[in-house]
Amino acid sequence: DTGVSQDPRHKITKRGQNVTFRCDPISEHNRLYWYRQTLGQGPEFLTYFQNEAQLEKSRLLSDRFSAERPKGSFSTLEIQRTEQGDSAMYLCASSSPAPIGYGYTFGSGTRLTVV
Amino acid sequence: DQQVKQNSPSLSVQEGRISILNCDYTNSMFDYFLWYKKYPAEGPTFLISISSIKDKNEDGRFTVFLNKSAKHLSLHIVPSQPGDSAVYFCAAREYGNKLVFGAGTILRVKS
Repeated sequence: DTGVSQDPRHKITKRGQNVTFRCDPISEHNRLYWYRQTLGQGPEFLTYFQNEAQLEKSRLLSDRFSAERPKGSFSTLEIQRTEQGDSAMYLCASSSPAPIGYGYTFGSGTRLTVV
Repeated sequence: DQQVKQNSPSLSVQEGRISILNCDYTNSMFDYFLWYKKYPAEGPTFLISISSIKDKNEDGRFTVFLNKSAKHLSLHIVPSQPGDSAVYFCAAREYGNKLVFGAGTILRVKS
């Protein structure tokens, strides 16, 4: 069990460019979540997958954001036409169907800076 | 509209003493409450949780108390250790598996 892996750890991009982040969950976890955290705030829910099905999306997830989990394993989060307001830490988490205490396992995150 | 609030941005405690971190919520439909700990450059780590039908849950040095009538929960750490210095997030489970987080409290344990 290597935990939840996220790649890259840091990304600096120019406004208007597209970026894609990858998340590899714990192998036996069928649930995968994306959260976003800005400075001084707690993580905010973006979207949730059960296996390959995207079951819920937050209103925070504008049309420029898209997430996939094609084979129910790793997931990607793409942001098109990045804006400065997209600068944040993007966190991925995974869990089994009935995690103990409903606690997810988070990855270390991808820090995005849009310049 | 903050459904989960941590009103203390920071807390400083002497090693060996008790640390008490507080959290208030507004949504009566939350059914589980969790505490996460976060070190710099790492993701949040699940610490302890409590069901809405209970008022106390204990795990080693960590105890969470829930007061449903006041919509308030607290995390007690006894005794506090320097390694406990981190950001602590309170979270609540809404429908499905979505968690709603507070803004966090920075705990500093002085040796």
